[in-house]
Amino acid sequence: EAEVAQSPRYKITEKSQAVAFWCDPISGHATLYWYRQILGQGPELLVQFQDESVVDDSQLPKDRFSAERLKGVDSTLKIQPAELGDSAMYLCASSDRGNSPLHFGNGTRLTVT
Amino acid sequence: DAKTTQPTSMDCAEGRAANLPCNHSTISGNEYVYWYRQIHSQGPQYIIHGLKNNETNEMASLIITEDRKSSTLILPHATLRDTAVYYCIVRVADTGRRALTFGSGTRLQVQP
Repeated sequence: EAEVAQSPRYKITEKSQAVAFWCDPISGHATLYWYRQILGQGPELLVQFQDESVVDDSQLPKDRFSAERLKGVDSTLKIQPAELGDSAMYLCASSDRGNSPLHFGNGTRLTVT
Repeated sequence: DAKTTQPTSMDCAEGRAANLPCNHSTISGNEYVYWYRQIHSQGPQYIIHGLKNNETNEMASLIITEDRKSSTLILPHATLRDTAVYYCIVRVADTGRRALTFGSGTRLQVQP
């Protein structure tokens, strides 16, 4: 079964440094999502793409976070500069058109020291 | 999207059916009920979804009440590998903004 690929699996960085996460969705999935999950809580949406266009980034802290999906396929989420409160799991998901379910990758666990 | 209410935690004996309830009393006619689960250190896994009819797949059954204000996810023969956090999510169909809004879910512990 096709999977959403994310890398790296784990990332440790110092505060004020830049960090980037990569996501490769399931082939053919037009919609891509980035979520953040703080330990003990449910995932929260950061940004949603339809093909290469952003359709919802209302919860993305735009002063330090950026996301792109240039060719409408894979995507990168960047944080610059990282803060201690950014320590969390960053999850990528993709879905086909219509009401098809979201499929998640196994995430990138970020620790900011 | 309508808000859902789930118990914080539940226990189930291995081999028995696990019945996970979810209240969604403000659900609208065009909102689906989705169930996901998240095993420790993994991403959420899709289980099943439905609109108003009961649904069954190889993983579970979804029972939605006639008034659609609540639902139950049934794992017919729970195993230790079913220990996870289970999320019940309501999502509006065909809005163009189809992201899922997660709550805190139910932590299911399957006991040997």
